[in-house]
Amino acid sequence: EAGVAQSPRYKIIEKRQSVAFWCNPISGHATLYWYQQILGQGPKLLIQFQNNGVVDDSQLPKDRFSAERLKGVDSTLKIQPAKLEDSAVYLCASSRQGGPEAFFGQGTRLTVV
Amino acid sequence: QKEVEQNSGPLSVPEGAIASLNCTYSDRVSQSFFWYRQYSGKSPELIMSIYSNGDKEDGRFTAQLNKASQYVSLLIRDSQPSDSATYLCAVNPFNSNSGYALNFGKGTSLLVTP
Repeated sequence: EAGVAQSPRYKIIEKRQSVAFWCNPISGHATLYWYQQILGQGPKLLIQFQNNGVVDDSQLPKDRFSAERLKGVDSTLKIQPAKLEDSAVYLCASSRQGGPEAFFGQGTRLTVV
Repeated sequence: QKEVEQNSGPLSVPEGAIASLNCTYSDRVSQSFFWYRQYSGKSPELIMSIYSNGDKEDGRFTAQLNKASQYVSLLIRDSQPSDSATYLCAVNPFNSNSGYALNFGKGTSLLVTP
């Protein structure tokens, strides 16, 4: 079974630029999560999708972050404009509908300079 | 914000010893509990899940849960240098709004010395 796929693996941008990350979950997994992990911290949930609907985006900084999951499969997370404090690893995870076990992709390491 | 607390470490144990990692959580209605292992520069990998009070064993790993004390632990028997990693405790504070989104601790760094 293929795992969660993410791209790109690394990205360096200047502050105030925009960036987008892509995620393809494990086949058949209805739930998709985007987490932000700052160095030395645990992952923090940004947004959770169930199929193509948003379940929880309470911690998503909506003035600069947006996410979508068209057709209930792939998802993109966008930051516009980026700030220095957005430097982190952005992790995508997925789980079966009704199941709590989440499996992570390799992540995208974002550096904002 | 519901809290998940872990000692950041580093926890250093000699090869072959038992490593004991601890986690406490604040939300009494939490339903499920997980341990993830994260190697430096890599993503979290699920190694154990536990849903009811008591012990759950899987190979060299044992997860222990005490809901009354709001405490979950991970024991690693016969620790190997390859077990050196950060161990993240994750708790599912299930509710109708967040579904199954996990709340993570900051992780405990484990170093197994040869």
